[in-house]
Amino acid sequence: ETGVTQTPRHLVMGMTNKKSLKCEQHLGHNAMYWYKQSAKKPLELMFVYNFKEQTENNSVPSRFSPECPNSSHLFLHLHTLQPEDSALYLCASSRARGETQYFGPGTRLLVL
Amino acid sequence: KQEVTQIPAALSVPEGENLVLNCSFTDSAIYNLQWFRQDPGKGLTSLLLIQSSQREQTSGRLNASLDKSSGRSTLYIAASQPGDSATYLCAVQNSGGYQKVTFGIGTKLQVIP
Repeated sequence: ETGVTQTPRHLVMGMTNKKSLKCEQHLGHNAMYWYKQSAKKPLELMFVYNFKEQTENNSVPSRFSPECPNSSHLFLHLHTLQPEDSALYLCASSRARGETQYFGPGTRLLVL
Repeated sequence: KQEVTQIPAALSVPEGENLVLNCSFTDSAIYNLQWFRQDPGKGLTSLLLIQSSQREQTSGRLNASLDKSSGRSTLYIAASQPGDSATYLCAVQNSGGYQKVTFGIGTKLQVIP
């Protein structure tokens, strides 16, 4: 186990649904990340939080809304997604920006 | 814009062979480079992280080198084992304000017993 957990592990949702992905790290890290991994594409960094403050948003559509209530928890709120948003969503954390990132197992999302 | 390329896309070798995975990047202004492995349906496991000031890092049977000026890194796996079968990803973190991380698409390795 990496110390980074993600729930749920699998999620199927319709385009009009609202759902949330949760990430929790037990490593005492200060930086947390959301990534999207689509088939046959490189991992895409979506959001970065450092000490609970969002420091990076890589042109992610507003139907994805991150929330970081504290350094241990990170959420990704999903609303009116499209089928092309189906992917593996990975959460990671690191002690500080630029240091080794530790990944969770991911949430496999299917949008119908 | 940073681009990361990994060659080959897939590799199949018999057990016991030494092998090299390649990663190249277009912008040499990097902060660090990290190698990960990903097992099917799983998250990523960090293998080695090389800071921009370093030339190489070693962990067990793994050795990663970095040539920043030429935009290249290699991951050397000695005496490969079936348990090494996975996808290996290279990720580059840029230096500068945003420190954006860019991943390659990976090399899928199969080690045949």
